[in-house]
Amino acid sequence: EVQLVESGGGLVQPGRSLRLSCEASGFNFDEYAMQWVRQAPGKGLEWVSGISWNSDILGYADSVRGRFTISRDNVKNSLYLQMNSLRAEDMALYYCVRSSSWYYIDYWGQGTLVTVSS
Amino acid sequence: DIQMTQSPSTLSASVGDRVTITCRASQTISSWLAWYQQKPGKAPKLLIYKASSLQSGVPSRFSGSGSGTEFTLTISSLQPDDFATYFCQQYNSYPYSFGQGTKLEIK
Repeated sequence: EVQLVESGGGLVQPGRSLRLSCEASGFNFDEYAMQWVRQAPGKGLEWVSGISWNSDILGYADSVRGRFTISRDNVKNSLYLQMNSLRAEDMALYYCVRSSSWYYIDYWGQGTLVTVSS
Repeated sequence: DIQMTQSPSTLSASVGDRVTITCRASQTISSWLAWYQQKPGKAPKLLIYKASSLQSGVPSRFSGSGSGTEFTLTISSLQPDDFATYFCQQYNSYPYSFGQGTKLEIK
């Protein structure tokens, strides 16, 4: 069974940093691209970032480019999102998601909540 | 960047109705479009990928069509479990993007 378990969310002040982690199990992690998707309270889904299976190809939403960095450790079966210079508008539930072989999202974690407030 | 525009934002319908949700891309995305269903407090669930391919386990009353820039999700006969919010997503190229969502409400 595919499982994606996010951690690292919490309350952080504007301008500070936070690192999200996602531990994957139930599949060969090193064979799949992965992504982060977020959802602000009561709002729609926003694609944040993606990474290829070997970390060669990275993608970012315009809203986070230059502030967020996606990475992965295929030995630890883990995905990360380093978030710097956090803003109030980054406050959201952050989902770790798996890209299928054809790149659509086929599995979602339950999310980790990031709250940005002074 | 590719913008996805979904319509309508809200749709009121009754059990048994046939409903259609539209998603338009700001530039061609071939058939690289997926549809997801989300219920309150839950992670989204994949319904359709590659514009018209039904995900395993999803009821056949759900169907998708379109290519290029215009796509539709159709539910042929609404069931009580279908009242939820629906999102389209393009995965043609980075940055991927979602439509703003369509909330399907009970009339």
